[in-house]
Amino acid sequence: EVQLVQSGAEVKKPGESLRISCKGSGYSFTSYWISWVRQMPGKGLEWMGRIDPSDSYTNYSPSFQGHVSISADKSISTAYLQWSSLKASDTAMYYCARHQAGYNWFDPWGQGTLVTVSS
Amino acid sequence: DIQMTQSPSSLSASVGDRVTITCRASQGISNSLAWYQQKPGKAPKLLLYAASRLESGVPSRFSGSGSGTDYTLTISSLQPEDFATYYCQHYYSTPYTFGQGTKLEIK
Repeated sequence: EVQLVQSGAEVKKPGESLRISCKGSGYSFTSYWISWVRQMPGKGLEWMGRIDPSDSYTNYSPSFQGHVSISADKSISTAYLQWSSLKASDTAMYYCARHQAGYNWFDPWGQGTLVTVSS
Repeated sequence: DIQMTQSPSSLSASVGDRVTITCRASQGISNSLAWYQQKPGKAPKLLLYAASRLESGVPSRFSGSGSGTDYTLTISSLQPEDFATYYCQHYYSTPYTFGQGTKLEIK
């Protein structure tokens, strides 16, 4: 079974750093891209950026460029989303999702990681 | 960037009704469109891709159509489990963008 399993919920203070993870299983991790999607409380879905785990090539939505960093460790089939300095406005659910070059619909999705940033 | 305008933002319907949700892209996207269903507290689930191709395991009451800039999702006969929020997404080029969502509620 193809699965993406994300790390657990996080509660952080403004200014702190954070890295959340997304582990793929049941498929060849380097054959598919991983995207990250933000969903703020009560709001819609926003694409943040993607990574090709085979060579760690990334590209970001202009809305998120410079605010987050996406990386991957193909040896453990895991992708990451990282912040160096969190803000209260980063409070959201974050999903990872798999897709393939030329076939860029998202399936499956991870279960989501809730990030809460509060002083 | 390509903008996706989805309508309506909410919809009340009854079990057995036929409903249609529309998504309009700000430029042509050559059928590079997916539809997702999201239930409260859950991750989105892929329903259709390439505008009209049904994902494996998705009931045939879901269908998609369209071309160019205009696309529709139709549910032919609503079932109780279909009450959820639906999103369109283009994947024609990055940045990929989603529609604002349509919340389908029980009348």
